[in-house]
Amino acid sequence: KQEVTQIPAALSVPEGENLVLNCSFTDSAIYNLQWFRQDPGKGLTSLLLIQSSQREQTSGRLNASLDKSSGRSTLYIAASQPGDSATYLCAVGHLLGYSTLTFGKGTMLLVSP
Amino acid sequence: NAGVTQTPKFQVLKTGQSMTLQCAQDMNHEYMSWYRQDPGMGLRLIHYSVGAGITDQGEVPNGYNVSRSTTEDFPLRLLSAAPSQTSVYFCASSSDSQAEKNIQYFGAGTRLSVL
Repeated sequence: KQEVTQIPAALSVPEGENLVLNCSFTDSAIYNLQWFRQDPGKGLTSLLLIQSSQREQTSGRLNASLDKSSGRSTLYIAASQPGDSATYLCAVGHLLGYSTLTFGKGTMLLVSP
Repeated sequence: NAGVTQTPKFQVLKTGQSMTLQCAQDMNHEYMSWYRQDPGMGLRLIHYSVGAGITDQGEVPNGYNVSRSTTEDFPLRLLSAAPSQTSVYFCASSSDSQAEKNIQYFGAGTRLSVL
């Protein structure tokens, strides 16, 4: 059974810092990996999706990497802003799972002004 | 473009009552899924569908039924609500087309309390 772990569970940083969120998974036979953002009381917003054949994806100040062989992904946020405060979820797509996901428990990020 | 729409946003039930959580998407996606989110547990898959008429169970299917009569709609039914089903429910859809690349789109969620 696939298990997804996110470290740290919570992170507090001052505005302007660069930061890294970590995600690890136990089964390397994945279809893709997706990072989401969730604001309190809200739904999930897709940030980046990395296909299993890719090593990284970038969108603005966000960069996600994938090392399938070691079962790891990182989400790098450059020059953090208070508006980045949210919970970040890592989710792994199953190779034969018809678009279903296994989620980590998330990292709660607080960026203070 | 509405995306994935879930109704209702909030619901309070008494133990033993039944209800249907609605989910609709307007993106012509083949795949639809239901997840529940509980504190400290993350999101867990309840049921999913790969197309109209085809559904399958996820990690936590007990107490829930689904059907998919159209591409657009994927309702989740609670036949006899229990307090353990108090949770936030999310519906998601995706397409495996070359353009969409299986990006998952989520609804805003339904917050359910069972007393």
